[in-house]
Amino acid sequence: KAGVTQTPRYLIKTRGQQVTLSCSPISGHRSVSWYQQTPGQGLQFLFEYFSETQRNKGNFPGRFSGRQFSNSRSEMNVSTLELGDSALYLCASSLQGHEETQYFGPGTRLLVL
Amino acid sequence: GIQVEQSPPDLILQEGANSTLRCNFSDSVNNLQWFHQNPWGQLINLFYIPSGTKQNGRLSATTVATERYSLLYISSSQTTDSGVYFCAVFYTGGFKTIFGAGTRLFVKA
Repeated sequence: KAGVTQTPRYLIKTRGQQVTLSCSPISGHRSVSWYQQTPGQGLQFLFEYFSETQRNKGNFPGRFSGRQFSNSRSEMNVSTLELGDSALYLCASSLQGHEETQYFGPGTRLLVL
Repeated sequence: GIQVEQSPPDLILQEGANSTLRCNFSDSVNNLQWFHQNPWGQLINLFYIPSGTKQNGRLSATTVATERYSLLYISSSQTTDSGVYFCAVFYTGGFKTIFGAGTRLFVKA
């Protein structure tokens, strides 16, 4: 069974632009979570989706948004990029009822110049 | 909220040495995980260990939930063990995983 996939793997943007990252969960997994990893703040929870509904959102500004499609694939969007948004963005998926066991994708490295 | 603390923050080992990484958590939890993040950023599940002891090859983990700590043991370390080790707790009410700051391990050949 294929693991969690994320695209693109690397991305360079400039301040003020927007970016969309994609995540395809493991087949059969309907819960998708997003995390931001930076050297200063570590791994921080962004949001979690299940059945196209956002169940929780972390403490991030409204520039960070996401959505989930009917096939469980998820996207996250960051608008008006800032230098501090440079980070590794990780997506994780899990089975319904077993959300405590999360499987992570390889991540998308975003650099904002 | 739940706090997860890891120690030591950094660890340098000679290949073949053993080590113990510690994770303390602030509240009663029943879903602790250990991850290894390789140099390319991939987070790999090592153990789901809400309590008790598990072993997988040279790695083993023990969680004492009543005392709110977990230990990860690495025996006969290899250079491929290098990377960052995270413990994490899943907050059921918020459907989110709370990570510790990690232990950065470097194993010298």
